[in-house]
Amino acid sequence: EDQVTQSPEALRLQEGESSSLNCSYTVSGLRGLFWYRQDPGKGPEFLFTLYSAGEEKEKERLKATLTKKESFLHITAPKPEDSATYLCAVYGDYKLSFGAGTTVTVRA
Amino acid sequence: ETGVTQTPRHLVMGMTNKKSLKCEQHLGHNAMYWYKQSAKKPLELMFVYSLEERVENNSVPSRFSPECPNSSHLFLHLHTLQPEDSALYLCASSQESFDPFNQPQHFGDGTRLSIL
Repeated sequence: EDQVTQSPEALRLQEGESSSLNCSYTVSGLRGLFWYRQDPGKGPEFLFTLYSAGEEKEKERLKATLTKKESFLHITAPKPEDSATYLCAVYGDYKLSFGAGTTVTVRA
Repeated sequence: ETGVTQTPRHLVMGMTNKKSLKCEQHLGHNAMYWYKQSAKKPLELMFVYSLEERVENNSVPSRFSPECPNSSHLFLHLHTLQPEDSALYLCASSQESFDPFNQPQHFGDGTRLSIL
């Protein structure tokens, strides 16, 4: 049973075209939700941690939000350097589970 | 910054070989992790060490054997692997706390393993 589902699987954007990625989860007793960015040939790089519904975090063109069932990663006016795979990880039910990721491609 | 270093970056081995993957962290962390990453699949947590004690082993086959000699080093010993073990193996570290899973993790760039 999947506990963490990310959508869409792939997203192609024009430079400046804002969009959102989704991470839905089914764990109860959420202890933390993490967003990571992974570039080709590299390990994941930590972006944000969210702990409770209603919480928001921002970093440059990225903004992460959290509800009781899902998290969104909003990319505002993306640039080509925002191209990467974005991973969501959820800690709950005494287990850390990752989603399969959303691969974002931003064209100039 | 490459706070977590993994060697080798690439490894090709036969099914009867024995090899080891190495991970070293320079961040002063006390929890370390091994993950398996296969194409289009979520990261699979394999092993977790906190303060050099193994705290989690997610039903990983015995052909994978971890070793954590101190808080800065982590090894994954491999023997008699199968073709389906071909993947990217990632090491990560985090601050030790009462609840290490509740800390952000810092990853190395992985070892790309190919089993012939």
